[in-house]
Amino acid sequence: KNQVEQSPQSLIILEGKNCTLQCNYTVSPFSNLRWYKQDTGRGPVSLTIMTFSENTKSNGRYTATLDADTKQSSLHITASQLSDSASYICVVSAYPGSARQLTFGSGTQLTVLP
Amino acid sequence: NAGVTQTPKFRVLKTGQSMTLLCAQDMNHEYMYWYRQDPGMGLRLIHYSVGEGTTAKGEVPDGYNVSRLKKQNFLLGLESAAPSQTSVYFCASWNTEAFFGQGTRLTVV
Repeated sequence: KNQVEQSPQSLIILEGKNCTLQCNYTVSPFSNLRWYKQDTGRGPVSLTIMTFSENTKSNGRYTATLDADTKQSSLHITASQLSDSASYICVVSAYPGSARQLTFGSGTQLTVLP
Repeated sequence: NAGVTQTPKFRVLKTGQSMTLLCAQDMNHEYMYWYRQDPGMGLRLIHYSVGEGTTAKGEVPDGYNVSRLKKQNFLLGLESAAPSQTSVYFCASWNTEAFFGQGTRLTVV
């Protein structure tokens, strides 16, 4: 069964600090990996998407890495801001071009304190 | 351009009641999806549609029905609500990326 596991489940950091969120997956055959940000009471919004051949992708202060050999990904947030407080969800696709085979992690709840 | 809009945003039902959740998208996407999100779990696919007039079951379809009579709308129905269907429901439409609605928080008492 395809699975996506994220750690930690929750994280509290001070504004301005960096943090790294982890994602391990057992999805086969692998197509791509996405990180989403979900603010409280809102739907998930895409941050990055990486295919098998990509090992780093940046979006502003967000940098995602992918190691397809070890089936691990991380999301690094630099110089955190209060607005970064949200749930970050790792999503792995086993079927190119379709949301039907998306496997969602349960998310890491990040809280940034002033 | 509103993207994906879900109605209602909140609803409380009594066990056995029925209701329909509406999802509307204005991006002309063929693919639309209904998910549920429960505490401590990832989003799980309920039903999906690959085009007007077509629907298919996802991972957790029991107790739900769907219809896609118009390309822009995807309806999720609960015929006889149960407490186990208390959840937050998200609709998404897909091109090469998934665009989510803001969610519907449903409580069944």
